Amino acid sequence: DIVMTQSPDSLAVSLGERATINCKSSQSVLYNSNNKNYLAWYQQKPGQPPKLLIYWASTRESGVPDRFSGSGSGTDFTLTISSLQAEDVALYYCLQYYSTPLYSFGQGTKLEI
Amino acid sequence: QVQLAQSGAEVKKPGASVKVSCKASGYIFTANYIHWVRQAPGQGLEWVGRINPVGGGANYAQKFLGRVTLTKDTSISTVYLEVSGLNSDDTAVYYCARESLAILVYDYWGQGTLVTVSS
Repeated sequence: DIVMTQSPDSLAVSLGERATINCKSSQSVLYNSNNKNYLAWYQQKPGQPPKLLIYWASTRESGVPDRFSGSGSGTDFTLTISSLQAEDVALYYCLQYYSTPLYSFGQGTKLEI
Repeated sequence: QVQLAQSGAEVKKPGASVKVSCKASGYIFTANYIHWVRQAPGQGLEWVGRINPVGGGANYAQKFLGRVTLTKDTSISTVYLEVSGLNSDDTAVYYCARESLAILVYDYWGQGTLVTVSS
């Protein structure tokens, strides 16, 4: 099984500042045949299901503000929020879908102001 | 519009079973896999399993093998999650989620069903 490890577990960032969340997989999630990283990022607010932000490691979902960006390849990935807004306070999860159908999530990162 | 509507909250005693439903609408039911993900109180997201709405074939996370069963009823566009031998560790919100055909990740989620296991 692919184990996903996020860091840090929690993060406090001032409004307007940059927030960076890391995700590391226990094995590569880069599929060589199509050169795609099978890594997604989700945002979850209290009492709500997760919301898709980023897929293929760096493709922003439609409607997601461009202050959210994803980067990385292979085993190391980063979610960056360029200028933190109050509404970005949430839990953030990475998800690997390389080992389909056995998907796995990171443990989550709590982002606060 | 695509919707996944889940059944209501359940309270069960240890050792009992629970069956949660997820009714799909707004798209062709047989076109997309449905996954189940659970979240214990204050904890992270945990993948439970996936069902193919065409043939009903299912895959499960190792820790749930033998205790979780995924089924479907195509006539009413509904998938079911059944958990047997409940214990307090199974107290969680259970979500169904649709796997996108194009990007292979979860693009739509149900609202979640809280299952509480308590004596």
